[in-house]
Amino acid sequence: QVQLQESGPGLVKPSETLSLACTISGGSIGLYFWSWVRQPAGQGLEWIGRVHVSGGTNYNPSLKSRVVMSLDTSKNVLYMKLASVTAADTAVYYCARDGHYNLESWGQGTLVSVSS
Amino acid sequence: EIQMTQSPSSVSASVGDRVTISCRASQDIVTWLAWYQQRPGNAPKLLISAASTLHSGVPSRFSGSGSGTDFTLTITNLQPEDSAIYYCQQANSFPRTFGQGTRVDI
Repeated sequence: QVQLQESGPGLVKPSETLSLACTISGGSIGLYFWSWVRQPAGQGLEWIGRVHVSGGTNYNPSLKSRVVMSLDTSKNVLYMKLASVTAADTAVYYCARDGHYNLESWGQGTLVSVSS
Repeated sequence: EIQMTQSPSSVSASVGDRVTISCRASQDIVTWLAWYQQRPGNAPKLLISAASTLHSGVPSRFSGSGSGTDFTLTITNLQPEDSAIYYCQQANSFPRTFGQGTRVDI
């Protein structure tokens, strides 16, 4: 049973870079894509993108210029960096295992607030 | 980008009722559609993939149907623990997109 646990700073200043990590346990990291999804308070879900251990990525065009995702297979950790953040990037950020046509396992999420 | 539209936005029902949620895609997505349940304060949970395939461990009172642009999630014999927001998501193309959600109150 795969388990995912997000971690991050909680608070980021405007214009800075948001860095998140997702620790993956109980599953083979190399067999899947790994995704990030975010959810502003009281709102719906927004798919940010996904990454494969091969280096292959798919990003949401709305964020593509600011986001980078990567995997550290030695540590079983998924990373996401989002540059030049604004208040609009305040949200709960989830990592998820991408079964290619669905998001089959999710972390519990980590709240990131953007404020000076 | 494919737009996903759910209806209704909210529904109130009683224990034992049957609830139907619709999801419409702005273009043909074949059967590349997933449904998720999100209980308050929790992460989304996969219910159904490929429009009608029940995910492991999901109760059989949940079912999905549809193809092309029109899809349905049906919950029969509604239980108190089914109180949640339900989202559809297309997996036909990138970016993956979600419906706006349907709140089910019991």
